[in-house]
Amino acid sequence: GAVVSQHPSWVICKSGTSVKIECRSLDFQATTMFWYRQFPKQSLMLMATSNEGSKATYEQGVEKDKFLINHASLTLSTLTVTSAHPEDSSFYICSARDSGTVYEQYFGPGTRLTVT
Amino acid sequence: QKEVEQDPGPLSVPEGAIVSLNCTYSNSAFQYFMWYRQYSRKGPELLMYTYSSGNKEDGRFTAQVDKSSKYISLFIRDSQPSDSATYLCAMDGGSNYKLTFGKGTLLTVNP
Repeated sequence: GAVVSQHPSWVICKSGTSVKIECRSLDFQATTMFWYRQFPKQSLMLMATSNEGSKATYEQGVEKDKFLINHASLTLSTLTVTSAHPEDSSFYICSARDSGTVYEQYFGPGTRLTVT
Repeated sequence: QKEVEQDPGPLSVPEGAIVSLNCTYSNSAFQYFMWYRQYSRKGPELLMYTYSSGNKEDGRFTAQVDKSSKYISLFIRDSQPSDSATYLCAMDGGSNYKLTFGKGTLLTVNP
């Protein structure tokens, strides 16, 4: 089956620093990737849609200058949380749409970010 | 009214029981319907997807879609403790591939 990886799986950083999270589709090409945020016991909240070779589309209320997204290749998208604060602590999950199918999306294992 | 409604549970059943998980939706533009399983602190895993009304079976899992009623279901037969997880329904309008999720139902299967 289609595999999406994320790195790192867990990161702790100090307030004010920046953190980069990578999302890779391992065995398929993904022209579109999505970034979600999930708080404990809550559903996924879509943050942005990442398209290869173009600017990301952010959902309403998501600060694009704080959450920088780059989709430089068909298998890699990155999310950089800039000037992180404790309220940015959350579980960040990416998904990738297989370009060869109509609508199937596969999720990565998630990255747990803790900002101290 | 939210676009997708899903009973958050929690739902607790004995091992071997048949489990029924449901979602309703209001947006007629939704064309594709998916069920994901999410274990604690893990990313969601795609279980089933379907496009048309009717049933789709895969092992112990059956996905059912009724577009006229805007209602989808996931049935789990012979439930196992390893099925204990949060189940999320998701829907796609097809134009931009963005998924709209239900809140998820927490299922516990007791041995």
